[in-house]
Amino acid sequence: DAGITQSPRYKITETGRQVTLMCHQTWSHSYMFWYRQDLGHGLRLIYYSAAADITDKGEVPDGYVVSRSKTENFPLTLESATRSQTSVYFCASSDAGYSNQPQHFGDGTRLSIL
Amino acid sequence: SQKIEQNSEALNIQEGKTATLTCNYTNYSPAYLQWYRQDPGRGPVFLLLIRENEKEKRKERLKVTFDTTLKQSLFHITASQPADSATYLCAPSEGDTGRRALTFGSGTRLQVQP
Repeated sequence: DAGITQSPRYKITETGRQVTLMCHQTWSHSYMFWYRQDLGHGLRLIYYSAAADITDKGEVPDGYVVSRSKTENFPLTLESATRSQTSVYFCASSDAGYSNQPQHFGDGTRLSIL
Repeated sequence: SQKIEQNSEALNIQEGKTATLTCNYTNYSPAYLQWYRQDPGRGPVFLLLIRENEKEKRKERLKVTFDTTLKQSLFHITASQPADSATYLCAPSEGDTGRRALTFGSGTRLQVQP
C-alpha cells in the first residue's frame, strides 16, 4: 500500500544501546523528516533530508544520526540511547519541501529507554 | 525567539455546536499556516493550508481564518460530531527560504460530547 511506514511501532531498550528506527515511503517524495513528540513540547524536528545523501540538522539533533542512501528510506539511529530520548518518534515526508506543501506522517515509534 | 501558542487546556463542547481553536504566533511572519489533526496513537494528518493573502479557507465543515495583523489563526469546526474529537495542531511557516521543515504548536485537544 502506498504511504509512509515506520518500524518498529514499539521498542524498549536499555541506556547505552544503539537503536535504529526505520522509515519507508512509497510516494518518492524528495523531503523526509524526523520529529519527536513529548508532552509539553509538541513535535520537535530532529533531522531532515532534502534528497538522497542530503541531510540537515533540526532543532534537537544531538545524540541522533541519520542517513539517506535511497529516496524511500530515512533511518534514524540513536548511537547510545539515553533515558531523555524516551519519546514518540514520527517520520514524515513531503513532495517538494516547499513550506506550502503538506507533510505526510507515519504512525510513529514509541521508544522507551530503561 | 519564535513561539507558537495553542490552548493547552482541552476544549469540551456539545455535539452540533461550533468548535473554535486558536493558534497565536510571535516573532513569525508566516506566508502559510497549516492545520493538522492527530488521533491518539497516530501521526498527524494534514487538514488545511491557508496563505497569508487569504483571510479565510473552507473545506466541508472546517473553516480556517488567518489574521496577520493579530498574528492569529482560528480553526472552526461547525456542526461538530464526536468523531471530531482529536488534537489539532497548527504549523505556521515563513515561505520558501531556508529550511523547509515545519514548526508545530503543541496542539489543542478537542472533546465533542454526544
